[in-house]
Amino acid sequence: GAVVSQHPSRVICKSGTSVKIECRSLDFQATTMFWYRQFPKKSLMLMATSNEGSKATYEQGVEKDKFLINHASLTLSTLTVTSAHPEDSSFYICSARDGLAIQSYEQYFGPGTRLTVT
Amino acid sequence: AQTVTQSQPEMSVQEAETVTLSCTYDTSESDYYLFWYKQPPSRQMILVIRQEAYKQQNATENRFSVNFQKAAKSFSLKISDSQLGDAAMYFCAYKKGGATNKLIFGTGTLLAVQP
Repeated sequence: GAVVSQHPSRVICKSGTSVKIECRSLDFQATTMFWYRQFPKKSLMLMATSNEGSKATYEQGVEKDKFLINHASLTLSTLTVTSAHPEDSSFYICSARDGLAIQSYEQYFGPGTRLTVT
Repeated sequence: AQTVTQSQPEMSVQEAETVTLSCTYDTSESDYYLFWYKQPPSRQMILVIRQEAYKQQNATENRFSVNFQKAAKSFSLKISDSQLGDAAMYFCAYKKGGATNKLIFGTGTLLAVQP
């Protein structure tokens, strides 16, 4: 089946530094990827949608200069949290859509990345 | 704007019993999909079941079934013969028809399964 990986699974960084999270589709071409943020015991909040080779579309209230998203290939999207602050600490999840899938609802989720900013 | 509402923050069920999780949604679209996702303590999102709006028949996946009431915009999940491994957070989600449209999640229901 379709597998999405995220790296790293956990990361701790110091306030003011930047951290990059990778999202990879292992066995399919991900034409569209989605980045979510999830606070403890809360729902998933969509941050942005990225299409391969295009600029990401950010949800209202999400700072595009702080959360840089790159989707340069059909199997890789990256989320870079720039100048991280403790309030950026959260669980970040990506999902990917199979570009060749006949059914338009197919999205596959990565295992998530726990970011802690100290 | 589309919204998804889960009115039960927490539910509990005895092992082997049946439990129903509620979900309502609001949309003016005619082409859409509805989903139930499970998020166990590992935090990995797992698709439990999906329903295409154009289908009248309720979706079923083994012990999991839905009651899709399109006119009432209701989409409940029934878990039969509950197992300890069913304990998780369950999210109801909506997606407008089309390839790239995003998922809109409800606030989730935390299900506990008592042995």
